[in-house]
This record gives sequence, structure tokens and C-alpha cells, in this order.
Amino acid sequence: QKEVEQDPGPLSVPEGAIVSLNCTYSNSAFQYFMWYRQYSRKGPELLMYTYSSGNKEDGRFTAQVDKSSKYISLFIRDSQPSDSATYLCAMSLPAGNTPLVFGKGTRLSVIA
Amino acid sequence: KAGVTQTPRYLIKTRGQQVTLSCSPISGHRSVSWYQQTPGQGLQFLFEYFSETQRNKGNFPGRFSGRQFSNSRSEMNVSTLELGDSALYLCATGTGGAGGYTFGSGTRLTVV
Repeated sequence: QKEVEQDPGPLSVPEGAIVSLNCTYSNSAFQYFMWYRQYSRKGPELLMYTYSSGNKEDGRFTAQVDKSSKYISLFIRDSQPSDSATYLCAMSLPAGNTPLVFGKGTRLSVIA
Repeated sequence: KAGVTQTPRYLIKTRGQQVTLSCSPISGHRSVSWYQQTPGQGLQFLFEYFSETQRNKGNFPGRFSGRQFSNSRSEMNVSTLELGDSALYLCATGTGGAGGYTFGSGTRLTVV
């Protein structure tokens, strides 16, 4: 079992839809949880960053962490064609110098 | 402010050759991590440098090495290239604490 599992998609939704992206993980020691967005031919861009359990909202994006279920989610409201990209979840241990462990990414297409 | 700069953007090498990739971090970022991204394996951690010292190393063979200079710029070297080394190599920089990192656009290496 991989440490972080993420459905690769592809996921195709109409413009304006609510998108739900998810990851599960096996290491209960993970404390920092991130979502990155990666456009074609670009590096990943940090979207959301949360510590431990709970919700965090930033504009149209909401990140949720459920540590008891080892499950994290990213919701995108009012999705736009410009949201079409690959979304990567990432997580790390509490210490400041531990590497990020990534899911393989979900490819999202928002159709106008 | 300037982002993370990776050079070159694209590279084609022959099996058996060696290659050096460069990463210039955001000003003030002393941590530089390197990741390999392939369609099959996703993003995999190579190593991390902080203040010219390697703090963490991933599960890659010794053909993959790196270093960091006093100005925080980092290089990674891959010797005796194999076809399987074809990938997008990304560097990510940060302040050295826990949390999100800023990625460069990567170097696309093709080994023929």
C-alpha cells in the first residue's frame, strides 16, 4: 500500500460545478497537509496548507482534513475552465525538515 | 519577487552520459529539495539541502547526487544516465521549517 493514495481521474465537470478531490493516507503521524495545482509544463503551485485536522477556506477553495479517517479533501466551488489542471495532495511529518509525500495527482477538466 | 528558477528547462542526453541541473531559490529560502516526477510514480523525493548540508535523502541510487552553495543555489547531478531517468526534475524551496514549498517549473530530462 502506498503511503498516499489519490484517484488519478481524469475528472471532467461542467463549468460552475462543485468539485471534490480526495486523498487517503496510511501514516497517522502526518501533521501537515497541502494541496498543489499543476498546470501542464509547469511546476506545482501551493493552493492550500493546513495543519492537523479541520477545515480551511480560501475563496472558492476549501480544504478538509479528517485525521481520524486519514482522509483529506479539496472542494472547488463554482469551478472555472481555468481550474483545469492536475491537483496533487501532499503531506509531511511534524518535524520541520521532513520531505513531502505526494499523491499521484488527479487530472481535472472543467468544460465551458 | 522572483520565483524559483531552474535551468535548463529542457535537456536531451544519451544513455551513459551525466547531467547537472541547477536551481536558484527564492531570496531568503535556505532549504532546497529535489523531486523526480514521472507519469508512473508521480513525485518522488530525491534529497533536501539546508545551509549547504544534506538533511534528507530519498530512496534513489548513488548516481543521483546534489550539493548546495553558500548562496543557497543548488545543483543535482545524475551520472551514467539510464532511459528510466527520463523525467521532470523539480526543485522546491522553503525557509526550512514545516509546511508548503515553492516549486520551480522543472527541468524536463529526456534520455535517449
